[in-house]
Amino acid sequence: DGGITQSPKYLFRKEGQNVTLSCEQNLNHDAMYWYRQDPGQGLRLIYYSQIVNDFQKGDIAEGYSVSREKKESFPLTVTSAQKNPTAFYLCASTTLAGDTDTQYFGPGTRLTVL
Amino acid sequence: GQNIDQPTEMTATEGAIVQINCTYQTSGFNGLFWYQQHAGEAPTFLSYNVLDGLEEKGRFSSFLSRSKGYSYLLLKELQMKDSASYLCAVIDSNYQLIWGAGTKLIIKP
Repeated sequence: DGGITQSPKYLFRKEGQNVTLSCEQNLNHDAMYWYRQDPGQGLRLIYYSQIVNDFQKGDIAEGYSVSREKKESFPLTVTSAQKNPTAFYLCASTTLAGDTDTQYFGPGTRLTVL
Repeated sequence: GQNIDQPTEMTATEGAIVQINCTYQTSGFNGLFWYQQHAGEAPTFLSYNVLDGLEEKGRFSSFLSRSKGYSYLLLKELQMKDSASYLCAVIDSNYQLIWGAGTKLIIKP
């Protein structure tokens, strides 16, 4: 079955620690995205990548880092520099060859900083 | 700035019809999406509009007026499982997705 997987579903971290969230897709999609969702707010773009070994900052990239060493993988590291990291993190992907650029989402990771 | 407005919350009765509105002011327009998101889960794609008019897909329909910067999602024959948040998102001139905050729809028996 094709899809997007994120792990873990729930993650707890002590303040001051870095943590990496996994995102893998086997849809052969070109582009991958990381969003953050807070209660009562829309999705906010952290980083995106349209091609291997290249990625762009989104609206709220500070305190985060990413890599795109393989087409199917786009891990997100939440660093200790991120002031308020507790949130729901969503990874999405899309093909750039289609007509609509519809983004498909993974199940999400809920990060809680203790 | 870019802005997408949706009502924060709506309530409807099982079996009824509800219309969720979305107005947008963006730098350019290259399409509009509606997604459904159940609590604690990922958004799932519902519809895409790029031309004016109504797109019907089963119990759900989506309408777009580009001149008015306006869209709505129409849900018919409401079921309890339709209780969710509905997100409106617009592709701007840079092909970036701009997201609304979502409308929480509560269905009552």
